[in-house]
Formats: sequence, structure tokens, C-alpha cells
Amino acid sequence: DAKTTQPPSMDCAEGRAANLPCNHSTISGNEYVYWYRQIHSQGPQYIIHGLKNNETNEMASLIITEDRKSSTLILPHATLRDTAVYYCIVRVARSGNTGKLIFGQGTTLQVKP
Amino acid sequence: EAQVTQNPRYLITVTGKKLTVTCSQNMNHEYMSWYRQDPGLGLRQIYYSMNVEVTDKGDVPEGYKVSRKEKRNFPLILESPSPNQTSLYFCASSPRGREVGTQYFGPGTRLLVL
Repeated sequence: DAKTTQPPSMDCAEGRAANLPCNHSTISGNEYVYWYRQIHSQGPQYIIHGLKNNETNEMASLIITEDRKSSTLILPHATLRDTAVYYCIVRVARSGNTGKLIFGQGTTLQVKP
Repeated sequence: EAQVTQNPRYLITVTGKKLTVTCSQNMNHEYMSWYRQDPGLGLRQIYYSMNVEVTDKGDVPEGYKVSRKEKRNFPLILESPSPNQTSLYFCASSPRGREVGTQYFGPGTRLLVL
């Protein structure tokens, strides 16, 4: 699975969009980009994933560059409850391996009033 | 409500006293997994199961056992706990196939071994 690089921390004002970047320059053609978050010591929570097209769901949007070497998670209107560690994970979608998710250090997003 | 439950949520025990942490999911998921989370080390996979009666070791299986007798349950067993197993434990489940990367995590079990 490809390695990812994320900034260790970011701040965002409440009500503004939070844009969290992730670099994955060694991503392979069959690897997806997944985003999870972990709110203080709670279980990680799946947010969104994509292969090459931009994706949107009720929680967030995922923008993947055309060369797929980087992506951005967008929380359109951040709230205080979005304060968490955000993890960008790159892996193949299917099983056939351990199904393991490799959580790096992630980005600690602090949403401020 | 679709969920993964773990019990107990908090546990203090002593070295050598066998314990079991239960994990149950109500989503009919085939895949289940256990992770432990330690400061500075992130989440590490302990064991995983692709289906009933199919289990395999993850990255840090030493000192742990699991079983998968029915689809919904995946208990984690510490036969003889030691202080280095003090950690925060998470159970996760996922459909197999294309969606195995989409995993649902339990709330966590915080274990202290004295």
C-alpha cells in the first residue's frame, strides 16, 4: 500500500471550509484513497473514499488530482465537533490481503470558535 | 442502528488473569479485525477474520487469541495478560469484496494490566 504524507496539524474557523491535504505520490492504479477520522480516543470513523473521480457524501467531499498523486478532503462547514485527527489511507479496495488499514500520524484538525 | 459494540469499555486487571473482550456487529459483515492503539505507534492490527472459522494473524498477534464461531461475534482473548498489553483496543468490521476498506469501528476498550 502506498505511503501518505499529511501535515501534522491545521486550524480552521468554525463555519468555514476545512481543506485537508494528502500526498500519495507512489499510489498505484488499483489503489483507492480513503479518509477516516478519530475524535479523541473514540473508534475511527470512515468518511469517504475514491479512486480517481471526485466524490461527495453527506459528510465531506474528496478531490483527487488528475495524476492521483495528491488529494484534498473538504469539510464544507466545519463545526467544533469536527475537531479530530484525520487520516488519509491508500490501499486496494478488495480483500485478498489482510484488510488492514495503515493509519499514519494523520492531521490534527482544530476547529476554533 | 448499524453498529459495532465492544465490552467491556474499560477494564483493569492483573498480570496473568485471563480475560476476554467481546466484539459484536449487526451488519452481517464477513470481515472483522482487532487493532490496538498505543501513543506514538498508531493503530496496529492484531488479528483479522475473513469469515466464520477463518482467522489469521495481523502485525502484533503475540499474547492474543481470537475465535470466529459465528458471523456477528469476534472475541479477543488474552490468556495471560501482561503489562505490555495495556492499550486501547478497537474492533472493526467490513463487507468483503470491493468495500473491505470501508470499515466500521467499535467504541474501543481501554485495558490496564497491572
